[in-house]
Amino acid sequence: KAGVTQTPRYLIKTRGQQVTLSCSPISGHRSVSWYQQTPGQGLQFLFEYFSETQRNKGNFPGRFSGRQFSNSRSEMNVSTLELGDSALYLCASSPGQPNQPQHFGDGTRLSIL
Amino acid sequence: GQQVMQIPQYQHVQEGEDFTTYCNSSTTLSNIQWYKQRPGGHPVFLIQLVKSGEVKKQKRLTFQFGEAKKNSSLHITATQTTDVGTYFCAGLEANAGGTSYGKLTFGQGTILTVHP
Repeated sequence: KAGVTQTPRYLIKTRGQQVTLSCSPISGHRSVSWYQQTPGQGLQFLFEYFSETQRNKGNFPGRFSGRQFSNSRSEMNVSTLELGDSALYLCASSPGQPNQPQHFGDGTRLSIL
Repeated sequence: GQQVMQIPQYQHVQEGEDFTTYCNSSTTLSNIQWYKQRPGGHPVFLIQLVKSGEVKKQKRLTFQFGEAKKNSSLHITATQTTDVGTYFCAGLEANAGGTSYGKLTFGQGTILTVHP
């Protein structure tokens, strides 16, 4: 079974731009969660989508948004990029039922210049 | 909001020594999961604990979940160089309905280095 696929792997942007990251979950998984990982803040939960609906949300500003398609693939968008948005963005998928482990992709390394 | 504290932040051991990392939540958890992230890699699921007081073993790794379901620990016996990485605990908060969904709160992680 193929794992979680995230594209692109690396991205360089400048302040004020916007970016879209993509995540393809494991086949059959209906839940996709997004996390931001930085050396200072660790792994922080952004949001979770299940069956095309946002089911949970973290404490990030509205510049961070996401969506999920009918095939469970998910995209995350960050608008008006700031230097502090430089991070590794990780996507994780799970079947979506309670108390199940999450399977992470390799992440997208976003650098803001 | 829910907070998960993990200590220590760093641990340096000689190969063959034991290692323990501790995790404490500000709220009662539905379950706790442990992940390992190798340098340059992504978090990989190790185990999940659900029951109060639960203890699970995986070879040299022993995981415990506290009676109050607010704390947990991971103990590695006789570390090896392959154990190097960051170990994260991650908790799912027990909501009013008693079920949990995909909002994991991660601890800061413990970075383990093993000297041969």
